[in-house]
Amino acid sequence: KAGVTQTPRYLIKTRGQQVTLSCSPISGHRSVSWYQQTPGQGLQFLFEYFSETQRNKGNFPGRFSGRQFSNSRSEMNVSTLELGDSALYLCASSRDPSDIQYFGAGTRLSVL
Amino acid sequence: AQSVSQHNHHVILSEAASLELGCNYSYGGTVNLFWYVQYPGQHLQLLLKYFSGDPLVKGIKGFEAEFIKSKFSFNLRKPSVQWSDTAEYFCAVNVYNNDMRFGAGTRLTVKP
Repeated sequence: KAGVTQTPRYLIKTRGQQVTLSCSPISGHRSVSWYQQTPGQGLQFLFEYFSETQRNKGNFPGRFSGRQFSNSRSEMNVSTLELGDSALYLCASSRDPSDIQYFGAGTRLSVL
Repeated sequence: AQSVSQHNHHVILSEAASLELGCNYSYGGTVNLFWYVQYPGQHLQLLLKYFSGDPLVKGIKGFEAEFIKSKFSFNLRKPSVQWSDTAEYFCAVNVYNNDMRFGAGTRLTVKP
């Protein structure tokens, strides 16, 4: 069974630009969560989707948004990029929100 | 505020030493508890989980963890570490019908 797939793997953007990251969950998983991982802050929860509905959102500014499609694939968008947005963005999928999460390899975003 | 605390930021051990990594959480009610590991250059992966039942759970690679409800703790243990256990370890808590929250992580370095 294929794992969680995140695309692209690497991105380089400049301040002020916007970016869209994609996540394809494991087949049959309907819950997708997004995290930001930085060396100093560890894993920070961004948001969680289940059956196309955003269930929870972490403490991030409105520049961070996301959505989930009917096939459970999810995208997150960051507008007006700032230098501090440079991080590894991880997507995790699970059968439901209380179940084990399986992580993708992440998208490494560098903002110059 | 609700949180997950990992007491040690960086632990350095020699091979064959015993390991205990602390994790405390401040959520009330029913929780699911997890330990994840991230080996250098690899994805996050599940080490072990607790949903219910026996509070002493065994995971992969000889790791175990004990859930002590009265102390809101879920400490990770291994009787004898190996060089290959060098990694970052994350404790995570999922409050029923809520999002997954991760601790800041503990970096373990095992000296050969």
